[in-house]
Order: sequence, then structure tokens, then C-alpha cells
Amino acid sequence: DAKTTQPPSMDCAEGRAANLPCNHSTISGNEYVYWYRQIHSQGPQYIIHGLKNNETNEMASLIITEDRKSSTLILPHATLRDTAVYYCIVRVVITGFQKLVFGTGTRLLVSP
Amino acid sequence: GAGVSQTPSNKVTEKGKYVELRCDPISGHTALYWYRQSLGQGPEFLIYFQGTGAADDSGLPNDRFFAVRPEGSVSTLKIQRTERGDSAVYLCASSLGGLRTDTQYFGPGTRLTVL
Repeated sequence: DAKTTQPPSMDCAEGRAANLPCNHSTISGNEYVYWYRQIHSQGPQYIIHGLKNNETNEMASLIITEDRKSSTLILPHATLRDTAVYYCIVRVVITGFQKLVFGTGTRLLVSP
Repeated sequence: GAGVSQTPSNKVTEKGKYVELRCDPISGHTALYWYRQSLGQGPEFLIYFQGTGAADDSGLPNDRFFAVRPEGSVSTLKIQRTERGDSAVYLCASSLGGLRTDTQYFGPGTRLTVL
């Protein structure tokens, strides 16, 4: 699986957009980019995934560069409840089985 | 609806003892995964079940670790002769299975402390 690089920590003011970067320069053509987050003392929570097009859902937007070597997760209006560790994962999806390989993620702190 | 549940939420045991950790997946999910998370690290894959069979157990650290899913629903992770290094949060996840972009849903985890 391709390796991902994320900043260890980021700060964001409540109500502002949080933009979390991820580098995955060795990604190959059939690998998807997944984002999960983990709020303190909880299990990881799926946020969004994409292959090459930008994606948006009710939680966030995912922007993938044209060369697919990096991506950005955008939380458009961060709230205090978005304080969590955010994991960027690159994974080849085999039918029925996706072993998630987590790094150490980005610890996002949303402040009032 | 009900999510993935894990019991117990906390388990304290002594070195050398045997422990069992239970996972109840989301109803109808055929795929089940176990992960282990040490302090300050991301979760690490242990084992994956598709139905009743362990399709991939490459993440189990050694033969003291074993997992079963006899009826294709509830799974139990078993650790023999526990060591202090086994202390971690053990996470279970389930997914529908069979889909190329299957979403894994995680439980809250069991925090295991080996004294």
C-alpha cells in the first residue's frame, strides 16, 4: 500500500474551514484515498473516500490533485465536536476485503 | 440502528492469564475485522473474517492470539498467556462485504490492561 504523510497536528477556529492535507506521492492508479477520524475514546469513523474525482458528502469534501499525489480533506465549518485525529489511508480495494493501514494521522484541535 | 458493540469496554488482567474479547457486528454484515491500537498510534490490522472463516490472519502477532466467528456473526478474540505488551485498545469493525468500496464501521473498542 502506498505510504501517506500527514502533519502531526493542526489548529482551527470554530466556524472556520479546516483543511487537512495528505501526501501520497507513490499512489498507483487503482488505489483509493480514504479518510477516517477518531474522536477521543471512540472507534474510527468513516468520513469519505475517492479515486480521482473530488467528492463531497454531508460530513466533508475531498479534493484530490490531478496527479493524485496529494489530497485535502475539507471540513467547511468546523465545530468543537470535530476535534479528533484524522487518518488519510491509501488502499487498493479488492472485492470484499479492504485492510485499512493507518498511520499516526493529524490531530485537529478546534477551538472556540 | 445498532452499531458494532464490544464487550467488555475495559478488561484488566494479570500477566499470564487468558482473556476473551467479544465483538457483535452490525446485523447483516458478513465481513468482520479486528484491529489493535497502542497508545499514540493508529489502529493495526489483526485479522479479517468473511462469514465464518478467517480470510486473512496475517496481522496476528503470534500464536497466543486466536479469533473465531463460529456462526458468521459474533466474533471472539482470544489471547493466551497475556503479556504486558498486549496492553492496548482492541477494535472490531464490520462491513457488508463483497463490495469494492466497502465501508468499515468500528466499535468503541475494548481497553485491555495487562498488569
